[in-house]
Amino acid sequence: EVQLVESGGGLVQPGGSLRLSCAASGFTVSSSYMSWVRQAPGKGLEWVSVIYGGGGTYYADSVKGRFTISRDNSKNTLYLQMNTLRADDTAVYYCARDSRGPADLGQGTLVTVSS
Amino acid sequence: DIQMTQSPSAMSASVGDRVTITCRASQGISNDLAWFQQKPGKVPKRLIYASSSLQSGVPSRFSGSGSGTEFTLTISSLQAEDFATYYCLQHNSYPLTFGGGTKVEIK
Repeated sequence: EVQLVESGGGLVQPGGSLRLSCAASGFTVSSSYMSWVRQAPGKGLEWVSVIYGGGGTYYADSVKGRFTISRDNSKNTLYLQMNTLRADDTAVYYCARDSRGPADLGQGTLVTVSS
Repeated sequence: DIQMTQSPSAMSASVGDRVTITCRASQGISNDLAWFQQKPGKVPKRLIYASSSLQSGVPSRFSGSGSGTEFTLTISSLQAEDFATYYCLQHNSYPLTFGGGTKVEIK
């Protein structure tokens, strides 16, 4: 059974940094496409980033240059390093295992950017 | 980037109604289209992928169709548990893009 458990969210000041983690079980992160998807309060879904099985990455324009997706194969864990955070980055962040696009999502972790 | 336009943005329907939601892509995406359902306070759940393939465990009253630029999600007979917000997602090319959502409310 695929399980995804996000952690690392919290309150951070504008300009600050945060690293989200997504612990996976039931499959191997290193051989999967993995994405991050976010949802601002009361808003729709927004795709954020993907890391391919081969290690390539892609980002939404809104986070390019500020966010970095990575993984630790030994821990079967996905990460999202978020720098230079802005108020409009406030959202619930979901990690997802991809199979023709995001398929299985974790329960999400809330990131609040506010002074 | 590919833009996804979903309509309507909201609708009211009764239990037993046939419901149709449309999603249009700004350029052709073959059949690389998924549909998600999200209930308030819950994690989005994928219902359909590859335009018309039903995710395992999803009731057969849900169906999807379309190819190229126009896609449809149909609920053949709306049930009480189907009141939710529905999103389309194109997974043809990066960046992936979601539609704006359709909130299905009780009439």
